[in-house]
Amino acid sequence: DAKTTQPTSMDCAEGRAANLPCNHSTISGNEYVYWYRQIHSQGPQYIIHGLKNNETNEMASLIITEDRKSSTLILPHATLRDTAVYYCIVRLRTNLYGGSQGNLIFGKGTKLSVKP
Amino acid sequence: NAGVMQNPRHLVRRRGQEARLRCSPMKGHSHVYWYRQLPEEGLKFMVYLQKENIIDESGMPKERFSAEFPKEGPSILRIQQVVRGDSAAYFCASSPLGQETQYFGPGTRLLVL
Repeated sequence: DAKTTQPTSMDCAEGRAANLPCNHSTISGNEYVYWYRQIHSQGPQYIIHGLKNNETNEMASLIITEDRKSSTLILPHATLRDTAVYYCIVRLRTNLYGGSQGNLIFGKGTKLSVKP
Repeated sequence: NAGVMQNPRHLVRRRGQEARLRCSPMKGHSHVYWYRQLPEEGLKFMVYLQKENIIDESGMPKERFSAEFPKEGPSILRIQQVVRGDSAAYFCASSPLGQETQYFGPGTRLLVL
């Protein structure tokens, strides 16, 4: 799986958009970009994933650059409950036989602090 | 649809005892993964199982640790003769066949005295 680079920490004012960047310059054509977060003492929570098109769901938006070497996770209106460590993970698509590609490789992530 | 369930949520063991951690995947999910998070560190993969099969145990310590996912019932992570260094949060995740997204449980916090 391709390696990712994220800032160690970021601050965001409550109610403002939080933009979390991720560099994955060695990503290959069949690798997805996944985002998870871990709120203190809880299990990781899936947020969103994408291949090359921008994606949006009820939690966030994912913007992937055209060359796919970087992406940005956007939380449109951050709340105090969004304070967490956010992980950007790149991994292969499901194999031809439908089996999972196995483990997720968690880096150090970005510690996002949402402040009132 | 209930999420991934883990029990117990907290487990205290003395050195040398056995620890058994259970994970019930989401309904319809046939893949289970175990991860360990040591204090102040990131999550590390341990083992990946399908029903009655271990697919990848490359992250599992060679001694004292074992995992199973029987045809019926939850997946079990077993740690024999626990030591203080086993104190950590153990997270289980599950995914359905053909999908990459893993959904995590709340974890089991193991404390070895």
